[in-house]
Amino acid sequence: TQLLEQSPQFLSIQEGENLTVYCNSSSVFSSLQWYRQEPGEGPVLLVTVVTGGEVKKLKRLTFQFGDARKDSSLHITAAQPGDTGLYLCAGVVPGNTPLVFGKGTRLSVIA
Amino acid sequence: DARVTQTPRHKVTEMGQEVTMRCQPILGHNTVFWYRQTMMQGLELLAYFRNRAPLDDSGMPKDRFSAEMPDATLATLKIQPSEPRDSAVYFCASGLDTPRDTQYFGPGTRLTVL
Repeated sequence: TQLLEQSPQFLSIQEGENLTVYCNSSSVFSSLQWYRQEPGEGPVLLVTVVTGGEVKKLKRLTFQFGDARKDSSLHITAAQPGDTGLYLCAGVVPGNTPLVFGKGTRLSVIA
Repeated sequence: DARVTQTPRHKVTEMGQEVTMRCQPILGHNTVFWYRQTMMQGLELLAYFRNRAPLDDSGMPKDRFSAEMPDATLATLKIQPSEPRDSAVYFCASGLDTPRDTQYFGPGTRLTVL
């Protein structure tokens, strides 16, 4: 069973602070996706990382895929209240099977 | 702007009643997924379809849950009889072709069973 562990589970920070959340597994993934879920809505894809060591930037968000393709991190610079939400990572495993989702990190950015 | 739609958005019912949730996937998408989300368990995959055929429903309690795709524009998830432990948010998602592709989620149905 492939498990994705996300940490921390909860994070509450002040506007303007930086933060990093993590997604770890003992399994190797073909690629990894990050989703953000806002209250009352479904998850929305932010980015897909494919290559070990890959770094992708989306405005103030920086995503990194570990060299061994077992882990990933999301760094947010100068967090804003609009970043509040549940951040989910989802791994693509070899074979034609569905994404494996972590339980998420619930982020609250206070103005 | 293509979106997955789900109805109803909220449902409150009493234990023992039948509940039916509906989903309209994005036109042209071949895969449809049903998830249940709770604070404790996170997002759990209940069942998924490809080209309307059920591929895996091992995540569903078989005695009370059923999932179908009567046609390409409608997926249903039925609970009969419902129990308080079924209270959760149920999401439908659709994807382009294979179960590994990006999933596009609907807004969810928040179910409360009293």
